Amino acid sequence: TQLLEQSPQFLSIQEGENLTVYCNSSSVFSSLQWYRQEPGEGPVLLVTVVTGGEVKKLKRLTFQFGDARKDSSLHITAAQPGDTGLYLCAGLYNFNKFYFGSGTKLNVKP
Amino acid sequence: SAVISQKPSRDICQRGTSLTIQCQVDSQVTMMFWYRQQPGQSLTLIATANQGSEATYESGFVIDKFPISRPNLTFSTLTVSNLSPEDSSIYLCSVNANFGQGETYEQYFGPGTRLTVT
Repeated sequence: TQLLEQSPQFLSIQEGENLTVYCNSSSVFSSLQWYRQEPGEGPVLLVTVVTGGEVKKLKRLTFQFGDARKDSSLHITAAQPGDTGLYLCAGLYNFNKFYFGSGTKLNVKP
Repeated sequence: SAVISQKPSRDICQRGTSLTIQCQVDSQVTMMFWYRQQPGQSLTLIATANQGSEATYESGFVIDKFPISRPNLTFSTLTVSNLSPEDSSIYLCSVNANFGQGETYEQYFGPGTRLTVT
């Protein structure tokens, strides 16, 4: 059972398109993180959001934490083939454990 | 940040045997975590390895199948026992660390150990 559900599960788009990945839960999290993982490697942390309603930008990536700290979104503007990977959200629960979302596989075609 | 190494990076094991995975961190951390990841899928938390006490296991994971050691603040091992093909997966070690960033904990991962059971 996953505490966090991500959607969509799969996304295949053309270079230059925009996309949004959603991460939803019925639980409240102390903070939430987004990761990107490439085959054969461990997940790499992209961002941590802590405050309800917080928005963080990392170049073409925009991350938002829901007001109630139960959900988050990742928006990518003008996607590039280098953005291809598995995107994972993870919520910090009880201040000590991270639980992962179901994952979104993104493929950006040149 | 934390730099985490795992050994072995991959292994092929016969069913019924066991594999022990080592995890080394370059700094002292209170909590270490072990995750399992089926190829292309998300991560499932197996257990939390606490130094000086028994590991705490998530629902569906038991100590007899996944014994864990945590002898000090920089090292942990996960053993996957009595292997079956269903145990074929990637096993990842992780640490939570504050590193002086206030209330925010960040999580760092090792590169993973890819296990194939034949």
